[in-house]
Amino acid sequence: AQKVTQAQTEISVVEKEDVTLDCVYETRDTTYYLFWYKQPPSGELVFLIRRNSFDEQNEISGRYSWNFQKSTSSFNFTITASQVVDSAVYFCALRRAGGTSYGKLTFGQGTILTVHP
Amino acid sequence: DTEVTQTPKHLVMGMTNKKSLKCEQHMGHRAMYWYKQKAKKPPELMFVYSYEKLSINESVPSRFSPECPNSSLLNLHLHALQPEDSALYLCASSQEGDGETQYFGPGTRLLVL
Repeated sequence: AQKVTQAQTEISVVEKEDVTLDCVYETRDTTYYLFWYKQPPSGELVFLIRRNSFDEQNEISGRYSWNFQKSTSSFNFTITASQVVDSAVYFCALRRAGGTSYGKLTFGQGTILTVHP
Repeated sequence: DTEVTQTPKHLVMGMTNKKSLKCEQHMGHRAMYWYKQKAKKPPELMFVYSYEKLSINESVPSRFSPECPNSSLLNLHLHALQPEDSALYLCASSQEGDGETQYFGPGTRLLVL
């Protein structure tokens, strides 16, 4: 069985602070995919990043960075110099390798991030 | 262009009504998905279509009936819903293949009275 744990239910920061959202996953598969999505109050889930299990290279995209560590089954997400527009619910998700028949995303419970001006 | 559109944005219906939710994508994706999301919870998969054929049904009650008329369109027909079916219904699409990213639409907020 697969499981994703986002232990931080809610995080509140002041603008310009750095914030890290934690994601820990469980799977018996050797090949799998990890995702982060952002869900602002409007409701749409916005894709942020996909990482496959055999690529542990960290990634930076503007103010966003991701730290994938297979040894600890973690895929953490850091926002540098947070802004009010970063306020949203952030979901980490896990997907098995394979075609669409294996396409079910296992989501974490989400972390509500509030950035205060 | 990674756009998935959904109509309507909001829907209020009675328990005896019949309504439909519509989803459209023009990205050439061959897999489409319906998710249900309750407040403060993650999305839950309902159905998956691959090449216009239903490939996954997550034991969804028959009052929800999906339809994929062509590769760009996905409908969800609703009939005799219950108040507990009130939720955000999200559509997504992806390329067919290993670990492909699912792109989501803005959702339809459904209220069943």
